[in-house]
Amino acid sequence: GEQVEQLPSILRVQEGSSASINCTYENSASNYFPWYKQEPGENPKLIIDIRSNMERKQTQGLIVLLDKKAKRFSLHITDTQPGDSAMYFCAASRNYQLIWGSGTKLIIKP
Amino acid sequence: GGIITQTPKFLIGQEGQKLTLKCQQNFNHDTMYWYRQDSGKGLRLIYYSITENDLQKGDLSEGYDASREKKSSFSLTVTSAQKNEMAVFLCASSIDRGNSGNTLYFGEGSRLIVV
Repeated sequence: GEQVEQLPSILRVQEGSSASINCTYENSASNYFPWYKQEPGENPKLIIDIRSNMERKQTQGLIVLLDKKAKRFSLHITDTQPGDSAMYFCAASRNYQLIWGSGTKLIIKP
Repeated sequence: GGIITQTPKFLIGQEGQKLTLKCQQNFNHDTMYWYRQDSGKGLRLIYYSITENDLQKGDLSEGYDASREKKSSFSLTVTSAQKNEMAVFLCASSIDRGNSGNTLYFGEGSRLIVV
């Protein structure tokens, strides 16, 4: 079936540096791309999203980029802090559903 | 703000048993979802419903039934529990009927344990 590929599966970065997570999708009709953060033992929560009429969106230390031609979108966390340690999931819309990436475990090293 | 409540938080059953998870939301959202999350992995859609009494299969519907008797509630039944489906089941809701461009709000999850 249709997939969203998310890489890397584990990402270790030094506190204060930036972290980048990349996703690719298959369906050129996808027009909505959210990112969810899931802390240990918690449920996933939306942190930022981008629609296909935009190429870049930024909010509170988070930047998402969308390259529709390459069917690729990415999340960039600037100035990482210990509280950024979590699982991050990307997703792409397909009809009435979201197709989810397999997740990235972000570990912030002190 | 609203809340999504899943019950029970832990569901322990025997292999082959029929087990039901319940989900209630007070957002007055149209669409509700059931996802399965295996340890350290992504979310796979089991069933979703865009309105009361509607039911749509996701990619992982085999072995499961679902029911949306009211707008506010969506239940999921594991028809015959197997040890390889021990996972966390997440219920979610979103505001618009069948529009995937809206925020999903998740419940706290229900962990299935099969003995």
